Amino acid sequence: GAGVSQSPSNKVTEKGKDVELRCDPISGHTALYWYRQSLGQGLEFLIYFQGNSAPDKSGLPSDRFSAERTGGSVSTLTIQRTQQEDSAVYLCASISGTGLTGELFFGEGSRLTVL
Amino acid sequence: DQQVKQNSPSLSVQEGRISILNCDYTNSMFDYFLWYKKYPAEGPTFLISISSIKDKNEDGRFTVFLNKSAKHLSLHIVPSQPGDSAVYFCAASEGNTPLVFGKGTRLSVIA
Repeated sequence: GAGVSQSPSNKVTEKGKDVELRCDPISGHTALYWYRQSLGQGLEFLIYFQGNSAPDKSGLPSDRFSAERTGGSVSTLTIQRTQQEDSAVYLCASISGTGLTGELFFGEGSRLTVL
Repeated sequence: DQQVKQNSPSLSVQEGRISILNCDYTNSMFDYFLWYKKYPAEGPTFLISISSIKDKNEDGRFTVFLNKSAKHLSLHIVPSQPGDSAVYFCAASEGNTPLVFGKGTRLSVIA
């Protein structure tokens, strides 16, 4: 597709279960971000991938969160042993070039609800 | 510790009038600023940006002003249209670091 694609769009899970969220960035974009937006909050940076470099994981809130990017394209964000405070919209964005700034192209997000 | 602050959670403006959305930041090393617009159930979309070497950038009905000494930027929309109703996020970055976003301001343009 032409834009950033995320799945699932909605996920309801029980506390303690693991979830996987998928992001398919714009073809050719070398950098990929994960952000999340909790209720009433701004966009919180989680992790970014740039080409073959080691990812910047400085925003991950706990070791229950991990992400990988296979083949420099599709990324999966995994949350283990989900907690209610993990409920948020998880947004993926990609950008062309090597810079981290500039115009990020966001997907529609995956809304996670932990019961 | 919020580095980018949007102190007004919401704003209502009459159609045709000017909308002014404000943003303050604390990190004086920020050198690039952006505004994103978000409709419900959609991802944010880029609206306009400004580099710290400028104090104004204009694109059609949208103008961003940067006051570095006050660590303040604003987005002006004139004339405001009902389709401008959305949540507007201010974002900033320092060099090649990830964008830091504010909490957003919900703009309602009333016809």
